[in-house]
Amino acid sequence: DIQMTQSPSTLSASVGDRVTITCRASQSISNWLAWYQQKPGKAPKVLIYKASNLESGVPSRFSGSGSGTEFTLTISSLQPDDFATYYCQQYNNYSPMYTFGQGTKLEIK
Amino acid sequence: QVQLVESGGGVIQPGRSLRLSCAASGFTFSSYAMHWVRQAPGKGLEWVAVISYDGNYRNYADSVKGRFIISKDSPKNTLNLQMNSLRDDDTALYYCARVPRGALHGPFDHWGQGTLVTVSS
Repeated sequence: DIQMTQSPSTLSASVGDRVTITCRASQSISNWLAWYQQKPGKAPKVLIYKASNLESGVPSRFSGSGSGTEFTLTISSLQPDDFATYYCQQYNNYSPMYTFGQGTKLEIK
Repeated sequence: QVQLVESGGGVIQPGRSLRLSCAASGFTFSSYAMHWVRQAPGKGLEWVAVISYDGNYRNYADSVKGRFIISKDSPKNTLNLQMNSLRDDDTALYYCARVPRGALHGPFDHWGQGTLVTVSS
């Protein structure tokens, strides 16, 4: 099965900072990667799909890049609403186990 | 608008069975593949099961294979998860999630709010 590894596990940052979260797949998943944001007590919300496509309604300060095994989620200028936990997920149809990364908690510095 | 509302959770003893449901509205349920995802308390997300739009394809995480059954009742706009032989490590908040029309694998573009299953003696 494909394993997804996110780094860092925790990230402390300030409003206005540019932050990047990395997700690595144990084997190539092409661009079959999504990023989700989850706030406490809430369901996850998709931000990015197919590695770099912004979901409708998601602010343009969020962007995704990468292909193969290495992917990044970038928030260009952190807003107070962005402090949450972020998960990557592979949905490669050759390995239909839809693995999530372990999550990155973005905290206020 | 798209709504997914899970129900059926509760406290259940190890080895017993429980059936979760997810009521869908705001979209043509029969045209969409659906998934179950769970989250143990304080932990990350774990995919559980998928069913194709027509119910002809189903797949499960290794951790639940042989114990859980996903099904889809399109006339009733309901997704179900029959959970048998429950174990302590099945304790989690269970979400149903939809994928875009025509897709099977993802991304998960709409989620319910979850129903909590606690397996405890």
